[in-house]
Amino acid sequence: GENVEQHPSTLSVQEGDSAVIKCTYSDSASNYFPWYKQELGKGPQLIIDIRSNVGEKKDQRIAVTLNKTAKHFSLHITETQPEDSAVYFCAAIVEWGNQFYFGTGTSLTVIP
Amino acid sequence: GAGVSQSPRYKVAKRGQDVALRCDPISGHVSLFWYQQALGQGPEFLTYFQNEAQLDKSGLPSDRFFAERPEGSVSTLKIQRTQQEDSAVYLCASSSRQGSSGYTFGSGTRLTVV
Repeated sequence: GENVEQHPSTLSVQEGDSAVIKCTYSDSASNYFPWYKQELGKGPQLIIDIRSNVGEKKDQRIAVTLNKTAKHFSLHITETQPEDSAVYFCAAIVEWGNQFYFGTGTSLTVIP
Repeated sequence: GAGVSQSPRYKVAKRGQDVALRCDPISGHVSLFWYQQALGQGPEFLTYFQNEAQLDKSGLPSDRFFAERPEGSVSTLKIQRTQQEDSAVYLCASSSRQGSSGYTFGSGTRLTVV
């Protein structure tokens, strides 16, 4: 099955700085890569996703890049704000498959 | 409803007790998933329903775990003879489309087995 690794496990940045979280995956058949934000006591919330036919996708302060050859993808958050503080999970799946394979999460703290 | 609703939010069970966790998906959503999230870890797949059919239960850790969705809407995850290692947050997700793309998670049920 798929194996998704995520780094770093914790990340602290000053407000206004950028944050980058990286993930690698093992199954070359994976073709859909969502990123989820999980706040304390809540379920994961989809913030951005990318499909394998695209190398980069951006939505306001959030961007995701994908390198299919190297099997890695990254989340970039610019101009971080305290409300960005949460745990972020990457995931990989063969689209229309039955299950996501999640990374182990990155706890992001934005220091005011 | 507006989102995926799970109940109870918290459950404390004595070891050996049976528990039932409920998931109300978004109305009309065809696909429903259960995940288990241990403390400090990412969610791990348990099982998947398309309407009332359980199409994949490969993630259920033992035969003590059982899930059903008899009318293709509400789903129940049942754990028999709970053990301490069952302590986790159990997340439900639903999607309007076949498969996993674009689904919405509930807030989860935190199960603590003492």
